[in-house]
Amino acid sequence: AQKVTQAQTEISVVEKEDVTLDCVYETRDTTYYLFWYKQPPSGELVFLIRRNSFDEQNEISGRYSWNFQKSTSSFNFTITASQVVDSAVYFCALATNAGGTSYGKLTFGQGTILTVHP
Amino acid sequence: KAGVTQTPRYLIKTRGQQVTLSCSPISGHRSVSWYQQTPGQGLQFLFEYFSETQRNKGNFPGRFSGRQFSNSRSEMNVSTLELGDSALYLCASSLAGTSGSLTQYFGPGTRLLVL
Repeated sequence: AQKVTQAQTEISVVEKEDVTLDCVYETRDTTYYLFWYKQPPSGELVFLIRRNSFDEQNEISGRYSWNFQKSTSSFNFTITASQVVDSAVYFCALATNAGGTSYGKLTFGQGTILTVHP
Repeated sequence: KAGVTQTPRYLIKTRGQQVTLSCSPISGHRSVSWYQQTPGQGLQFLFEYFSETQRNKGNFPGRFSGRQFSNSRSEMNVSTLELGDSALYLCASSLAGTSGSLTQYFGPGTRLLVL
């Protein structure tokens, strides 16, 4: 079975601080995909990043960066110089082809509520 | 390109009634997945449709059903509503759900309240 754990329930920071959101996943599949989504108060999940299991290259995109480590089954997400607009719930998700059907099922973590204070 | 649209956005029903929610995927997307989000259980997968066929199913009772039309639009139906069905129902679409095109893009959701 697939499982995603986001141990941080809530994080509160002051604007311009860096913040890292942790994600640990479990799967027996060798090919899988990891995602980060952002959910602002409006409710819509906004796609941020996707990584596949065979690409451990980490990336920086603007103020966002990701650290994927297969050895520890972690896929952490960092926001540099946080802004008030970054306040939202952030979800880590996992997609596998368990059962050989498709990658159409996402398993989500419980989410981390990020509040950035001015 | 227009995003995923869901109708209605808000719905109030009473126990025992049934409800149908609609989802229009991004143009060209053929896979549609549905999720239920509640404060207690978080985001849970309901089912996925591709080419009018259910390809994946989550652990929900048979009261939850869905279908997909030839234009990829999808509907989900919940019969005999229970108080616990109150939730935000999110629809997501992807190109095909295969390894090369599986990123799911979400709609704004339908917020269902069962009284």
